[in-house]
Amino acid sequence: AQSVTQLDSQVPVFEEAPVELRCNYSSSVSVYLFWYVQYPNQGLQLLLKYLSGSTLVKGINGFEAEFNKSQTSFHLRKPSVHISDTAEYFCAVSANFGNEKLTFGTGTRLTIIP
Amino acid sequence: DAGVTQSPTHLIKTRGQHVTLRCSPISGHKSVSWYQQVLGQGPQFIFQYYEKEERGRGNFPDRFSARQFPNYSSELNVNALLLGDSALYLCASSLHYGYTFGSGTRLTVV
Repeated sequence: AQSVTQLDSQVPVFEEAPVELRCNYSSSVSVYLFWYVQYPNQGLQLLLKYLSGSTLVKGINGFEAEFNKSQTSFHLRKPSVHISDTAEYFCAVSANFGNEKLTFGTGTRLTIIP
Repeated sequence: DAGVTQSPTHLIKTRGQHVTLRCSPISGHKSVSWYQQVLGQGPQFIFQYYEKEERGRGNFPDRFSARQFPNYSSELNVNALLLGDSALYLCASSLHYGYTFGSGTRLTVV
């Protein structure tokens, strides 16, 4: 079984400042990792995913994440945030890409301060 | 291409009633999954279907059931609704490159 821990439930950041949202996972098998964003009253939008290969993954809206197998982490980063980045961010893990359930963390609410 | 579509978008039901939620996957996607997202929490896995067969089931009571049709669309049924079933119900379809979610159905049980 897999589990995901998002260490910060809320992260306030000033506009144009960098941000890191932390995600740690637990699994006894190889995993695939995802970050999703959820804007108010909407569904989930995929930001980026790690399947294999390069441990630095680039996604949409200027976000990137780094897979660290030894630390079982998949932290999300953005060098300069904008007001429009205000949303809930979810880290998720799957043991069998495309054909098995996603296990989500509890989410991190990113609030951008003007 | 249209994304994952869910209907209805909002629904209000009374305790004890039954509800059916519908999902149409992206064209060509044969796998459909259902998730429940209670306010303030991450989505929780309910069911996954692939080629009309149930591939997985989360820790939900038997009041929850689902099926997938030959055109790969899916229905989620919940019987004997409880107040605690109030949530955003999300459908996701997948092929090879990730899970794509619909906008969800907001169910309120009163």
